[in-house]
Amino acid sequence: QKEVEQNSGPLSVPEGAIASLNCTYSDRGSQSFFWYRQYSGKSPELIMSIYSNGDKEDGRFTAQLNKASQYVSLLIRDSQPSDSATYLCAVNFGNEKLTFGTGTRLTIIP
Amino acid sequence: GAVVSQHPSRVICKSGTSVKIECRSLDFQATTMFWYRQFPKQSLMLMATSNEGSKATYEQGVEKDKFLINHASLTLSTLTVTSAHPEDSSFYICSRPGPTPYEQYFGPGTRLTVT
Repeated sequence: QKEVEQNSGPLSVPEGAIASLNCTYSDRGSQSFFWYRQYSGKSPELIMSIYSNGDKEDGRFTAQLNKASQYVSLLIRDSQPSDSATYLCAVNFGNEKLTFGTGTRLTIIP
Repeated sequence: GAVVSQHPSRVICKSGTSVKIECRSLDFQATTMFWYRQFPKQSLMLMATSNEGSKATYEQGVEKDKFLINHASLTLSTLTVTSAHPEDSSFYICSRPGPTPYEQYFGPGTRLTVT
């Protein structure tokens, strides 16, 4: 069974602080990992993809991948109220499909 | 801008009727598109993979005779919910592949309410 696990939260972070979101997955052979942001009532929006071990930075977002530990994380620096959303981790398990975690609800407190 | 559109964005129908949802890839000819369903406070569940020119591939537990998928062209896939019941009320979202491996871009979703 291919699984993606996330802490459902809610995770509350003060404005300006770093928000850290975590995700673990079940298949050591997975190669492709994605973070999506979903605002309430809206569809998911791709914010980061990562394929290699290490860090990948894009603006205020940093994705971190550790394949040995089967762990992928998303850091949001200088958190803004507009970052309040549910963040979905998605993993490709070797076919064209994505398997999604249940999402972590993030609230940025002004 | 948006790369995937869906129509309608919201639909209310009576139990027993059928509803068609359209998904269009606006900037890319997609031989494959995906249909998901999301119930409140739950994650996305893949229903089926839509294949242009051939039959859709359904996930385990999804009734192919109830959820009819037609991928008529490289830019259009449709999902028809037949004989809808209140338990089919959900947020239906389609996606298409992105330019890099296994990325997917989502449409805005269709909220279906069956009364």
